[in-house]
Amino acid sequence: NAGVTQTPKFQVLKTGQSMTLQCAQDMNHEYMSWYRQDPGMGLRLIHYSVGAGITDQGEVPNGYNVSRSTTEDFPLRLLSAAPSQTSVYFCASTQWDRNSPLHFGNGTRLTVT
Amino acid sequence: SQELEQSPQSLIVQEGKNLTINCTSSKTLYGLYWYKQKYGEGLIFLMMLQKGGEEKSHEKITAKLDEKKQQSSLHITASQPSHAGIYLCGADNGNKLVFGAGTILRVKS
Repeated sequence: NAGVTQTPKFQVLKTGQSMTLQCAQDMNHEYMSWYRQDPGMGLRLIHYSVGAGITDQGEVPNGYNVSRSTTEDFPLRLLSAAPSQTSVYFCASTQWDRNSPLHFGNGTRLTVT
Repeated sequence: SQELEQSPQSLIVQEGKNLTINCTSSKTLYGLYWYKQKYGEGLIFLMMLQKGGEEKSHEKITAKLDEKKQQSSLHITASQPSHAGIYLCGADNGNKLVFGAGTILRVKS
């Protein structure tokens, strides 16, 4: 099993550009989520999904969109990138049965200039 | 919303020394997770605690969840360079897993 796969690993954008961070998991997990990690602030939840067709906002959703058309994929879209979105982004998934931990991807390092 | 405070924010220990990292929650903990992150990499799951008083160990790392279920500690015995990294605690908050800011551990050889 590949687990949680994130692409790309690195990305540089100019202010105002758009892009999609891809996340795919092959564990048939119902729950998927996106976090951003900034120095001194830990992981902050952006959006999450408890199943295909269902998404909800986390702590810091502004500037990001998500959709969940399949169980496997949970892309994160930046419609108009801003320097404040420079961060490391992690996708995670779990069965969410309160006995299963989150499985994390290796992250996408995004720089917005 | 639930908040997790980790202490210390960072620490440097001599190889072979013991250390403890604490995670304090603003609300009762119903599930507490410990993760480790090496620099520039993803998070690796260490262990999960669910019941007050629960204690789990993996190799030289022991985690406890206190009776009042609002604090957890992670103890490393005889630290090694391989223990270096960022340790994060996470708590089950309904449909969300919230995290502390992390503790950076450096181990000097």
